[in-house]
Amino acid sequence: GESVGLHLPTLSVQEGDNSIINCAYSNSASDYFIWYKQESGKGPQFIIDIRSNMDKRQGQRVTVLLNKTVKHLSLQIAATQPGDSAVYFCAEDRNSGYALNFGKGTSLLVTP
Amino acid sequence: DVKVTQSSRYLVKRTGEKVFLECVQDMDHENMFWYRQDPGLGLRLIYFSYDVKMKEKGDIPEGYSVSREKKERFSLILESASTNQTSMYLCASSGQVGIFWEQYFGPGTRLTVT
Repeated sequence: GESVGLHLPTLSVQEGDNSIINCAYSNSASDYFIWYKQESGKGPQFIIDIRSNMDKRQGQRVTVLLNKTVKHLSLQIAATQPGDSAVYFCAEDRNSGYALNFGKGTSLLVTP
Repeated sequence: DVKVTQSSRYLVKRTGEKVFLECVQDMDHENMFWYRQDPGLGLRLIYFSYDVKMKEKGDIPEGYSVSREKKERFSLILESASTNQTSMYLCASSGQVGIFWEQYFGPGTRLTVT
């Protein structure tokens, strides 16, 4: 079946460096993608989203890039801070806002 | 500030008990969802609802039912709790903002069935 997956289960970066978290999806019909951040003991928190008619979208310190040719999504975090340590999930909308398919998550650890 | 609240953060129930998990959102969103989250399996969709009194099965509906009598409230019911339903349960709601859909999650309920 269709799936959303993440390339790396864990990522360790030094404070101040940029982080890149990758995600591959297999459903070429997916037209909406979201990145979530989940801190320990909390529910996932919306970070940024992007539609399939866009290649790039920027937020505050975060950028999402979408490459539809290779069905790849990435989240870039600029000047990573200790508060960015969390598990990051990519998700694809499978039915116009009705539900999401989630990847397994990448754990980001920011070291001083 | 957007808000999705869940009735309990932690819950311990015995096998065979009927369990109610309540979720309330204050954003007037049409769509509401119940997921469960397990280590190594990520988030899996149990049920969702796109309108009052409407419900749709997700990927793993077995052993669960839902109720949506009011727009702001979506309940997950475990008819007869079993140990394999020990999990983190996450409620979410979504609504359209421009061309995008925004989905927000509650804090989760960690359910332990003994």
